[in-house]
Amino acid sequence: DIQMTQSPSSLSASVGDRVTITCRTSQTISNSLNWYQQIPGKAPKLLIYAASSLQSGVPSRFSGSGSGTDFTLTVSSLQPDDFGTYYCQQSYSAPWTFGQGTKVEIK
Amino acid sequence: EVQLVESGGGLVKPGGSLRLSCAASGFTFTHAWMTWVRQAPGKGLEWVGRILSRTSGGGVDYAAPVKGRFTISRDDSKNTLYLQMNSLEAEDTAVYYCASVTYGSGTYPFDYWGQGTLVTVSS
Repeated sequence: DIQMTQSPSSLSASVGDRVTITCRTSQTISNSLNWYQQIPGKAPKLLIYAASSLQSGVPSRFSGSGSGTDFTLTVSSLQPDDFGTYYCQQSYSAPWTFGQGTKVEIK
Repeated sequence: EVQLVESGGGLVKPGGSLRLSCAASGFTFTHAWMTWVRQAPGKGLEWVGRILSRTSGGGVDYAAPVKGRFTISRDDSKNTLYLQMNSLEAEDTAVYYCASVTYGSGTYPFDYWGQGTLVTVSS
């Protein structure tokens, strides 16, 4: 199975800050990496698919990059609505797996 | 508008069974790949399994912790996805989400999610 390692596990940042979350996989997965945001009490929401493609309706301040084993989610200017937990997920091979999550708090 | 609505959650004793349903609307369910994801209280997301569309072969895959106990199926005539859960354990306590899987991009993101249904396994 492909293991996912996200970092950091949590962060606190101010509105307007640039925030970066990383995800590393235990084996190469090409660009088969997706990012989700989950607000407490809500279902996850797809933000980025195929490592760098922005899901329709997602603000352009979100971006993704990477390929192979190292991936990054960036929020260029953090907004109050961006709090929650962010998860990476590989869809390269079953069993599909998630990272452990990065909790983002707004200072 | 795409809608996924889970139902069937509840309280069940260890060793018991439960069947979850996920009613889909707003897209062509017959062509859709579908997946189940769960989230234990206060924990992260855990993939449970997936079922391909009939035109993609209808194959099913499971995560190791549920393999042999859970069964994913679909009724395309009813636009409904199912998760049959047997031999339930306390560790299966979680909110269970169904989601649709987009497969046109060459990757397989979960683009639409239901609201989730809570399963509690306790004596």
